[in-house]
Amino acid sequence: DGGITQSPKYLFRKEGQNVTLSCEQNLNHDAMYWYRQDPGQGLRLIYYSQIVNDFQKGDIAEGYSVSREKKESFPLTVTSAQKNPTAFYLCASSRRQGGSNQPQHFGDGTRLSIL
Amino acid sequence: GENVEQHPSTLSVQEGDSAVIKCTYSDSASNYFPWYKQELGKRPQLIIDIRSNVGEKKDQRIAVTLNKTAKHFSLHITETQPEDSAVYFCAASRTGANNLFFGTGTRLTVIP
Repeated sequence: DGGITQSPKYLFRKEGQNVTLSCEQNLNHDAMYWYRQDPGQGLRLIYYSQIVNDFQKGDIAEGYSVSREKKESFPLTVTSAQKNPTAFYLCASSRRQGGSNQPQHFGDGTRLSIL
Repeated sequence: GENVEQHPSTLSVQEGDSAVIKCTYSDSASNYFPWYKQELGKRPQLIIDIRSNVGEKKDQRIAVTLNKTAKHFSLHITETQPEDSAVYFCAASRTGANNLFFGTGTRLTVIP
C-alpha cells in the first residue's frame, strides 16, 4: 500500500531519550493506528485515532504518546518511560470503523533499537 | 478481552500442495476475521477477510472458512507456489471495533 509512509526505516534510541516515529498517509483515511510487533508474536495495538484531534489508548499504551493534528499524519513518540522499546513498529490506516469493519492497511514499518 | 490462538507456528509444504492454517478465538462477539501475509522485513498485507454472516470465502487459490459455533477459522492455500512463502497472521475483531487481535503467526515455507 504505497499510500502509507513510515520513517525512518531504522531508528536507534539512547537511554533516557524520546524518539518520534513518523506515519503519513494519502489514502484519505479517517482512522490511523500504531502497532508493535515483537519476534514470534502477533501485532499489539498501542494507540488509535478515528478522527483528527482525537485518539485512544490501545492494549499497550504505557510509555508511548501520539498526536493527530492532521488527517494525514499520526506520529508516535516512544518515551524514556518505555523500558523495552526494541521492536518493529507498524502504522496502519483505514476508513472510519462503524457499522462494519474496515480493512486496515499497513506501512512498511520502523525498526527501533536501543544503543 | 479477545484471545486468538494460531497453529501451526511453522509449516513446510512441497510446491503444488495445499497449506492450512488454523485459528481459534475466545470472544463470541467477534465477527470480523482478516488474514495478513507478511514477507520478511515488509508490511503485513491483507490477503482475505471474512465476516460472520458467511461460512466460507474464496479468492483464487486462497479460501477462508469460519465456524462460529466452534469459534475457529482457517486459511486454505491451494497449489502453493514459492512466492507464497511468508508469515501469515490471523486476526479477530468485533463489528466497528478499532482493535484487531492478532494470532502469533505461521511461517509458511513452500519448497520448490
